[in-house]
Order: sequence, then structure tokens, then C-alpha cells
Amino acid sequence: SQTIHQWPATLVQPVGSPLSLECTVEGTSNPNLYWYRQAAGRGLQLLFYSVGIGQISSEVPQNLSASRPQDRQFILSSKKLLLSDSGFYLCAWSWGPDNYGYTFGSGTRLTVV
Amino acid sequence: EDQVTQSPEALRLQEGESSSLNCSYTVSGLRGLFWYRQDPGKGPEFLFTLYSAGEEKEKERLKATLTKKESFLHITAPKPEDSATYLCAVRTPMDTGRRALTFGSGTRLQVQP
Repeated sequence: SQTIHQWPATLVQPVGSPLSLECTVEGTSNPNLYWYRQAAGRGLQLLFYSVGIGQISSEVPQNLSASRPQDRQFILSSKKLLLSDSGFYLCAWSWGPDNYGYTFGSGTRLTVV
Repeated sequence: EDQVTQSPEALRLQEGESSSLNCSYTVSGLRGLFWYRQDPGKGPEFLFTLYSAGEEKEKERLKATLTKKESFLHITAPKPEDSATYLCAVRTPMDTGRRALTFGSGTRLQVQP
């Protein structure tokens, strides 16, 4: 069966520090991978998606970047965090026809102080 | 601009008190409407996909329906364990190639014993 792992679960980082969040998928190959951010009281905002190794599409201009060094690994990074980067970050994957929705990871709560 | 609006923002029910959550959308060429359940501090969990007006899906105490402008998530005789945030999302023709979804801000449901 397919599983998705995301870590860490919580993170408190000072302003200006770097960030690296990791997501891995097991039990499938060539998945579409996504990073979403969820702010309190707001819907999920798509940040990045990837359809293959090294292929990254950015949805919104921001202080973050993403990379996909391996087929089932997706990394969200920042060189210098801002207060506004605080939020709940979710990794997700999908495959197959459009009627198959996302499977989400358990999320990372990032607090920038 | 494609939009997804969920109402109410929050709903408090007594155990056994049936109700409905609403998801209205303004999307040209809907390619699917998705319902997710999200528990606090966790990633969303997939519930249903609906594609065409008149379609219905059921799972335990939940039933999702779709019209040309909105979707309802009916909760029959809810139990405290149904307490969660319910998210609605749509896929548009623009989203299809990347299998991205546009999410509403959710309805927080609390079921009291």
C-alpha cells in the first residue's frame, strides 16, 4: 500500500534561519507531488507541484523553494525564513486519473519567531 | 476567477442532530469536486469525489451531493467522533494537467454528546 511520510511534525525557527522540510512517498512510482500551506481560517494554498524528478512548478512568488532529487522525495526549503512563513505545511501526492484525489501527509507546523 | 465558498464557517450539533454543510463554487468546466475531513493538527483525509450534477456518494453517516452550483455534505445522526473540519475542493480545466485542487476554507464541525 502507498504511504506518505512528512517530517518534522513541528518546528520553531528564528527569523532569518534556513528551512528544510522533507516528504517521501512509498509504494508508488512517478507520483505527482505537492506542497500546500494552510493558514488559520483559510483554505489550502498550493505552493509547488512536481510531475517528475527535477521538475518543479511554483504557484506563488515567495520566500520558499522546492526540489525533487528523487522520484519519491520532495523537499521544501528556504534560505532565510520570514515571520510570514509561519503556517501548517502539507505534502501530498496523487497519481492516475483525475478521479483520484490527493493523499496528504500528516503536516508540519512551522512557527517562525 | 474560480472560487470555492464553504458555509457555515463553524457548526455545533448535538449528537444525533442531522445537518448539512454547503460548498458553493464558481468554476467554468468543473472537473471534479472533492470532500476531505481534517482533524486538528493532521493532514486532510479524502472522503468523496463527485463529477456531475445529480451524483451522490455515501460513507457511513455522510452523504455528498452535487448540483451545478454547489455541493452538500449531509451528516445523518452525527456522533462526537464526526467532529472535524470538512474541506471542499474543486478541480478546474486549468488544474487538470497538474491535478491541482482549489480548496475552500472549511467548515469546523463540533458534535456534542
